[in-house]
Amino acid sequence: DADVTQTPRNRITKTGKRIMLECSQTKGHDRMYWYRQDPGLGLRLIYYSFDVKDINKGEISDGYSVSRQAQAKFSLSLESAIPNQTALYFCATSEKDNYGYTFGSGTRLTVV
Amino acid sequence: GENVEQHPSTLSVQEGDSAVIKCTYSDSASNYFPWYKQELGKRPQLIIDIRSNVGEKKDQRIAVTLNKTAKHFSLHITETQPEDSAVYFCAATHGGSQGNLIFGKGTKLSVKP
Repeated sequence: DADVTQTPRNRITKTGKRIMLECSQTKGHDRMYWYRQDPGLGLRLIYYSFDVKDINKGEISDGYSVSRQAQAKFSLSLESAIPNQTALYFCATSEKDNYGYTFGSGTRLTVV
Repeated sequence: GENVEQHPSTLSVQEGDSAVIKCTYSDSASNYFPWYKQELGKRPQLIIDIRSNVGEKKDQRIAVTLNKTAKHFSLHITETQPEDSAVYFCAATHGGSQGNLIFGKGTKLSVKP
């Protein structure tokens, strides 16, 4: 489903480096989210945005920051990557009155 | 905050049998309960959902039931097929956030031919 696009698909980076993961959507949804997935831990919310001027922390926001550049774009940054941020990262979108998420294809990030 | 517990973590059934996955939630303000299926290497995809004003919903071989009093909801898959093999996640809205989903840790379902 090309409606929610994440770049890059895979990334290996070194400890201490700054890295940005990008998400763009063509669904016209107001709400966007960043989750990380770790084996056995499910999907955990990092940050979410209900519109362009709205940014909120999720369960595990420490070490991350986000930017909502436009309705269609929501970027996640790791200011100084550490190995325990190695995970699969998903962006998701939803409409205001329909909570069903559409997920992007994911970004597999490895911090060495 | 909201906590969603999901059981079992793994489930193995024979083709044609039924599979049941159960979730409990803690936030009484939660009002939306979706189920997602994630095949290996792919993104989670919504397969069925239920809102708090409904007790049961069916879509072909899958159904979801909700017991608001007990704060639990379940996914039922009948006549399982090998292509049902995947990881299934339940989720519930975080009552105070008006739309965030809190996910369970997932159930790996294996359907053996």
